[in-house]
Amino acid sequence: SQTIHQWPATLVQPVGSPLSLECTVEGTSNPNLYWYRQAAGRGLQLLFYSVGIGQISSEVPQNLSASRPQDRQFILSSKKLLLSDSGFYLCAWSGADRRNTEAFFGQGTRLTVV
Amino acid sequence: AQSVAQPEDQVNVAEGNPLTVKCTYSVSGNPYLFWYVQYPNRGLQFLLKYITGDNLVKGSYGFEAEFNKSQTSFHLKKPSALVSDSALYFCAPRASGTYKYIFGTGTRLKVLA
Repeated sequence: SQTIHQWPATLVQPVGSPLSLECTVEGTSNPNLYWYRQAAGRGLQLLFYSVGIGQISSEVPQNLSASRPQDRQFILSSKKLLLSDSGFYLCAWSGADRRNTEAFFGQGTRLTVV
Repeated sequence: AQSVAQPEDQVNVAEGNPLTVKCTYSVSGNPYLFWYVQYPNRGLQFLLKYITGDNLVKGSYGFEAEFNKSQTSFHLKKPSALVSDSALYFCAPRASGTYKYIFGTGTRLKVLA
């Protein structure tokens, strides 16, 4: 069966420090991968999605970037964190097969920038 | 622009009563439609989906949803609510031919004992 791993679960970082959040998927190949941010425990904002290695689409211009160095690995990064980057970050995957249409989410990373 | 609306910020229902969480959407074509549930400090869990076919779809934990094409709605329902159903619920359409799920602000469901 497929599983998604996201770490760390919580992170406290000072303003201006770098960020690297990692997400990996097991049990499937060529997944679509997503990074979402959830602010104040409510709506999800799509940050990046990827349909293949090296293919990244950015939805919202901001202080973050994403990379997909391997088929089932998706990394969210920042060179210098801002206070406004605080939030709950969720990684998700969906199947490339059109029959597998739903997305599956990781457990999230709570990022607090201080 | 494509969008989804969950008009109720919070829904309160007594345990054992039926519940409805509303969702309307504005997405081109024939979108795929999904419902997710989120418990505090956790990721989202998939509940059910509508792709095509019967307008009433059944999902996990006794939930079902009714698709109405003319009203572009996909309301989540459950015949008898449990206290453990209390959580944040998201409707998420995905335009066919795309890979993006559109999430709204969610509806907080509170089931009172």
